[in-house]
Amino acid sequence: DAGVTQSPTHLIKTRGQHVTLRCSPISGHKSVSWYQQVLGQGPQFIFQYYEKEERGRGNFPDRFSARQFPNYSSELNVNALLLGDSALYLCASSLVLQGPPYEQYFGPGTRLTVT
Amino acid sequence: AQTVTQSQPEMSVQEAETVTLSCTYDTSESDYYLFWYKQPPSRQMILVIRQEAYKQQNATENRFSVNFQKAAKSFSLKISDSQLGDAAMYFCAYRSERGGADGLTFGKGTHLIIQP
Repeated sequence: DAGVTQSPTHLIKTRGQHVTLRCSPISGHKSVSWYQQVLGQGPQFIFQYYEKEERGRGNFPDRFSARQFPNYSSELNVNALLLGDSALYLCASSLVLQGPPYEQYFGPGTRLTVT
Repeated sequence: AQTVTQSQPEMSVQEAETVTLSCTYDTSESDYYLFWYKQPPSRQMILVIRQEAYKQQNATENRFSVNFQKAAKSFSLKISDSQLGDAAMYFCAYRSERGGADGLTFGKGTHLIIQP
């Protein structure tokens, strides 16, 4: 079975621009989470979606938004990009929102560089 | 809010030897889950091992085992018979029993170097 896929692999944007990152979960997984990993740090939680609804949000500004589609794929949108938004953005999928199994499975990430 | 601390930014071990990576966490919850993830230079986060807080028995997965001390809020990872392929960043992560509302909380990671 295919794992979590993300696109694009890498992109470069200019300050003030908008970006959309995409994620496809493992087949059968209904929950998708997004994380931001700044160089040298552990990932930080941005959002979790389950059955197309937002179920959790981390401490990120309103410039960050996301949505989940009927096929359970997801998009992360970031408006008015800042230099500090440069990071690896990780998508993770899980089978359910609560209860076992508890693991989240990660995709390879999208490296965003803001200049 | 929960916090996860990994006090060893970098560890080095000889191939075939054993190494232990440390992790402590802070929480007021009694039910939760702990994980170790591995992130090689390819960037993909790979789940290494999982521990449920309600289980007293330490989890084991082949050469990987944990020492879970709930009272001390400690969750260390032991890698036996280290192999060159074990070289990576290792992250300790916490997940509330309440589910995904808070996502996973990660530590800053430990860079593991394997000396041939």
